[in-house]
Amino acid sequence: GQQVMQIPQYQHVQEGEDFTTYCNSSTTLSNIQWYKQRPGGHPVFLIQLVKSGEVKKQKRLTFQFGEAKKNSSLHITATQTTDVGTYFCGGFNNDMRFGAGTRLTVKP
Amino acid sequence: GAGVSQSPSNKVTEKGKDVELRCDPISGHTALYWYRQSLGQGLEFLIYFQGNSAPDKSGLPSDRFSAERTGGSVSTLTIQRTQQEDSAVYLCASSHGTSRQETQYFGPGTRLLVL
Repeated sequence: GQQVMQIPQYQHVQEGEDFTTYCNSSTTLSNIQWYKQRPGGHPVFLIQLVKSGEVKKQKRLTFQFGEAKKNSSLHITATQTTDVGTYFCGGFNNDMRFGAGTRLTVKP
Repeated sequence: GAGVSQSPSNKVTEKGKDVELRCDPISGHTALYWYRQSLGQGLEFLIYFQGNSAPDKSGLPSDRFSAERTGGSVSTLTIQRTQQEDSAVYLCASSHGTSRQETQYFGPGTRLLVL
């Protein structure tokens, strides 16, 4: 069945450093969604990517969808302490499957 | 407007007891999902309801787990004869529309601890 894998599992950065998390699917996806879960909170929708090679930006966050629609990345430029949390990708192909998430911690 | 609500927020139970977890989706959302999130882990899909269609139960880990959605709104997840490995946060999400690729809006979760 469809599997969605995320790396790295954990990432610790110094405030101001960049951060990237990668999402890979075993099958071609119709779309991919990214969610953020703050510590002690619940996942909150960030963005959806649909088109092959699509790139979307939200302030310091850049989201990419691979040409083959099997992988995606989330890049944060110049991390801040408010970026702390776990970032999940959800890949859709008949149904939605989430990756295990990347837990980001930021040292001030 | 009101988001997805879940109750209780925390539940401590003894091994072997049954528990019921409740989810109130966003009004008008026809789709409802249940997920399980173990400590530090990802989102494990449990069950999906869409309108009056038969639910997708493919994620339920055992026959001790069941869920209902009455009147197309409120849903209850029941775990019978709880085990310690059932301890986790149970998240409910709802979405608008009939496609499973719609944006999901998550509730705050119920933190279940089985002693």
